[in-house]
Amino acid sequence: DTGVSQNPRHKITKRGQNVTFRCDPISEHNRLYWYRQTLGQGPEFLTYFQNEAQLEKSRLLSDRFSAERPKGSFSTLEIQRTEQGDSAMYLCASSLELLYGYTFGSGTRLTVV
Amino acid sequence: SQQGEEDPQALSIQEGENATMNCSYKTSINNLQWYRQNSGRGLVHLILIRSNEREKHSGRLRVTLDTSKKSSSLLITASRAADTASYFCATYSNDYKLSFGAGTTVTVRA
Repeated sequence: DTGVSQNPRHKITKRGQNVTFRCDPISEHNRLYWYRQTLGQGPEFLTYFQNEAQLEKSRLLSDRFSAERPKGSFSTLEIQRTEQGDSAMYLCASSLELLYGYTFGSGTRLTVV
Repeated sequence: SQQGEEDPQALSIQEGENATMNCSYKTSINNLQWYRQNSGRGLVHLILIRSNEREKHSGRLRVTLDTSKKSSSLLITASRAADTASYFCATYSNDYKLSFGAGTTVTVRA
């Protein structure tokens, strides 16, 4: 297993368009997390899955954001009607057990123009 | 809102010197972790210290934890150019997800 994989690496989109990002976690990790990071800041929590169940969503995740993890494997994060403020690095991470360290993917950098 | 705060925000040192950065947090924790992030990349887990531990070592890294002061420090000894990165502390509190600070940017000059 080569770690956590995120696609695409970069996405440039026009304001108002929808975008979808994919994350493939380490196969034996049942916990999957999405974070958002803006320049000069640390990652901010967005949402968390244990297997296929979405257990927590941040208030940062407006109604335009939705995340899924069908069958407890890969996950997708969709942003509808993108706004310039959505421009950020979107990071996915997975972990084997609660309280363990995370393995992060390389992130998807979104630019909304 | 972010749980941790790193200090200093930025640090520039000569190769071979030691680098020390500090992290303060607000609520009680289960464990505290340090991560490294190279420019434009994802974060890499460095070390985890549990709330009942006071000090931990991993290679050139030394982490201390003082739960009475709600603070931690990361020491990188004999720094190398490859240590140039941003370093983040992250805490696991009762809500069972990691909360990250804003990070310390370390530049190691050759």
